[in-house]
Amino acid sequence: TQLLEQSPQFLSIQEGENLTVYCNSSSVFSSLQWYRQEPGEGPVLLVTVVTGGEVKKLKRLTFQFGDARKDSSLHITAAQPGDTGLYLCAGLRSGYSTLTFGKGTMLLVSP
Amino acid sequence: SAVISQKPSRDICQRGTSLTIQCQVDSQVTMMFWYRQQPGQSLTLIATANQGSEATYESGFVIDKFPISRPNLTFSTLTVSNMSPEDSSIYLCSVEPLGGGEQYFGPGTRLTVT
Repeated sequence: TQLLEQSPQFLSIQEGENLTVYCNSSSVFSSLQWYRQEPGEGPVLLVTVVTGGEVKKLKRLTFQFGDARKDSSLHITAAQPGDTGLYLCAGLRSGYSTLTFGKGTMLLVSP
Repeated sequence: SAVISQKPSRDICQRGTSLTIQCQVDSQVTMMFWYRQQPGQSLTLIATANQGSEATYESGFVIDKFPISRPNLTFSTLTVSNMSPEDSSIYLCSVEPLGGGEQYFGPGTRLTVT
């Protein structure tokens, strides 16, 4: 059983469209991170959310942490080809020192 | 944040040989990790590299197969021993300078075993 369920696994859209990626769990996380990884590179940290209900915006990207700190979403407005990559959510559970990663969402934005 | 470099960036190795991957950080960090990743897929934690003590391995990974060294707070190595084609993967190191799960990753080492 995957501790962090990420959906969809793959998303192919046209430039200008909006999209949302979901990260769900039955466990509570003290913090949750979103990363983006481009081919041939390591994951790059986009954001950390720690408070239930928290919303953070990073230009066209909006991140939300669920009230119960069990789920999160990433919304991209007006996607651009430069947004193409593998999006990973990862969470830190209380009492644990290592991250739990979701399976990732591969996003392809075509011009 | 932290800047992390890895060597080599890629290698093709023969079955039965070993490869040592180096990870260098531009600042002292306590928490350092090694991951494995199949292209386009998520990350699997191999172990936490502890400075001054033995690494802490995750279920399914053992020291004999993946020995790790951590001689100081800026450097670590991961060796993939007695390689088989199933070890072909991307190996990533990461650090967590401030705790709280915020990790910074190296560019990865792409290993192909023939």
